[in-house]
Amino acid sequence: SQQGEEDPQALSIQEGENATMNCSYKTSINNLQWYRQNSGRGLVHLILIRSNEREKHSGRLRVTLDTSKKSSSLLITASRAADTASYFCATDYNDYKLSFGAGTTVTVRA
Amino acid sequence: GAGVSQSPSNKVTEKGKDVELRCDPISGHTALYWYRQRLGQGLEFLIYFQGNSAPDKSGLPSDRFSAERTGESVSTLTIQRTQQEDSAVYLCASSLVPGNEQFFGPGTRLTVL
Repeated sequence: SQQGEEDPQALSIQEGENATMNCSYKTSINNLQWYRQNSGRGLVHLILIRSNEREKHSGRLRVTLDTSKKSSSLLITASRAADTASYFCATDYNDYKLSFGAGTTVTVRA
Repeated sequence: GAGVSQSPSNKVTEKGKDVELRCDPISGHTALYWYRQRLGQGLEFLIYFQGNSAPDKSGLPSDRFSAERTGESVSTLTIQRTQQEDSAVYLCASSLVPGNEQFFGPGTRLTVL
């Protein structure tokens, strides 16, 4: 299976803290994409990182990719209550089919 | 419109009936994708369109599922003789070209009674 697997399955943090979640996959990829999903609907695209890239930033988000370890991480800095959501990594190994993991559920406590 | 739209947002049907789900991709996006998300799970790939052709239908669960795309725009996913295990959220996505960011619509929640 090409499926990305997120770790941990769930994460609870205090507002203002950083949240880190990881994604591991099994075979070579073209790119890896991170998504956020609130309340079971509405997947929001966060970042796409290509196989020849090692790190990307977008606002309070930082994504790293280590192709030698077949892993990626998503860091959310200075978390807010609005960051409470499920986060999914999706691996693209053939330029069209995204394989999703089961996600990490992040709860930010006020 | 600015984003991917899907209709209906919710569909409740009886076992054995046929349903049609519609997706309007972002204007100008050549690639269109259908996924399914069962409760508490990640997304499963169903089918991919490049223009109006479907190079990969490998994710369609059975021959009760079919999809078409016309005019390099709207796509419909049809499920015939629905079963209870078809209950899920069906999500459509589009990208400018294959390999770029996939932007998702809000989904259609299908409930088969």
